[in-house]
Parts: sequence; structure tokens; C-alpha cells
Amino acid sequence: EAQVTQNPRYLITVTGKKLTVTCSQNMNHEYMSWYRQDPGLGLRQIYYSMNVEVTDKGDVPEGYKVSRKEKRNFPLILESPSPNQTSLYFCASSVQGTSTDTQYFGPGTRLTVL
Amino acid sequence: RKEVEQDPGPFNVPEGATVAFNCTYSNSASQSFFWYRQDCRKEPKLLMSVYSSGNEDGRFTAQLNRASQYISLLIRDSKLSDSATYLCVVAKYSSASKIIFGSGTRLSIRP
Repeated sequence: EAQVTQNPRYLITVTGKKLTVTCSQNMNHEYMSWYRQDPGLGLRQIYYSMNVEVTDKGDVPEGYKVSRKEKRNFPLILESPSPNQTSLYFCASSVQGTSTDTQYFGPGTRLTVL
Repeated sequence: RKEVEQDPGPFNVPEGATVAFNCTYSNSASQSFFWYRQDCRKEPKLLMSVYSSGNEDGRFTAQLNRASQYISLLIRDSKLSDSATYLCVVAKYSSASKIIFGSGTRLSIRP
């Protein structure tokens, strides 16, 4: 089944404790991205990747890191999480990253930073 | 001002009603337009793309007005299963890297 998977789905952590949220897609998509969703603000892009070893900042990259060493994986790293990073995170992928591509989203990761 | 603005709702309408949402965008150079649907706390999924000539998919009709910079979604004969949040999505350039999501319009269909 074609899908985007994320792990963990739920995470409660404390300020400053490094964490990684994994994202994997099995559709051989070139483009992957991370979003956070907060009430009243919609989805905001954190980072995106047009292909392996090619990453760039989205609209809200502060406090996050990403890597794209393999086509299928695009982990999101929070080196020192803070409470303002409490949010619902979605990973997404699309075929080539053109504006007309359909974005396929993972199921989401609900992160709480205490 | 937000780049993509939607009425947050909620819209609460009876089953069988027709309901319409509008979404305005600020960048006149925007190239691609979509409606995504998001069920409660689940991932967004593409509902339909929006084309300049307008397009229809069953009970759903999407329109684009470039002059006034808005897109619309019309749902006819609404079903209980249409209850969801509808996200307006605008791509500013040819790359997916500049896709802007609206904050969504919540729709609730009552029996």
C-alpha cells in the first residue's frame, strides 16, 4: 500500500531533550516536506527536500533540523525542544515537488514539550 | 494579513443542503490552487484541484476568480460524511516549496 508513515504518533517530552520524528514514504517520491499545524494558523512548512541531499528551509525552520540521506526517509530533528514546539506535525511527499503535484501526508505526530 | 484567508466557520448545515466556502489569497502571481479535506486530527487529503475554467467532481464544484483573487468550493446535497475541515491551498510559484495552506473552514452536517 502506497503510504507515508511517521513515528512516533504521540510523544510527550521535556524541554531540552533531543528527539527525532521519523518519516518514510514508499512511493519513490522525490519531494518531501515537514509541516506543523497549530490552531488558527493552518499548516506551516518547516523544511522541505527536493531530492536526496537537497534540503531547504520553509517558513518556520527555527529550532528544527532535517536530513535526506535516502530518498524514502526524511527525519525531523529537534535538538533542544521547547514548549513552543508543542504542535501537530505532518510529513508529506509528492512525486517531483512541482506546484501541481498532489501532496500525500503522513498520519501526523502529536508532540507535547513540557 | 495572511497570504491565504478562510472563514474558520463552523458552518453547521442540515443534510441535503448546499454550502459554499470562499478563500482569498494575496499573491496575484499564485499559480496553482487546491482544496484539501481534513477529518478531525487526521492528515489532510486532496479533495480537488481548482482550474481557471472551474471544475466539478460529483457534488463538489470549485471555482477560481483570478481578478478578485479568490477560490470557492460548493458542496451540493451535503452528506453527513462531508463533515470535516476544508483547507484552501495556494501554490505561489511553480515549485511545491511555496505552498501555502489556509487555516481551514470547519463544516458540520447535521441529520
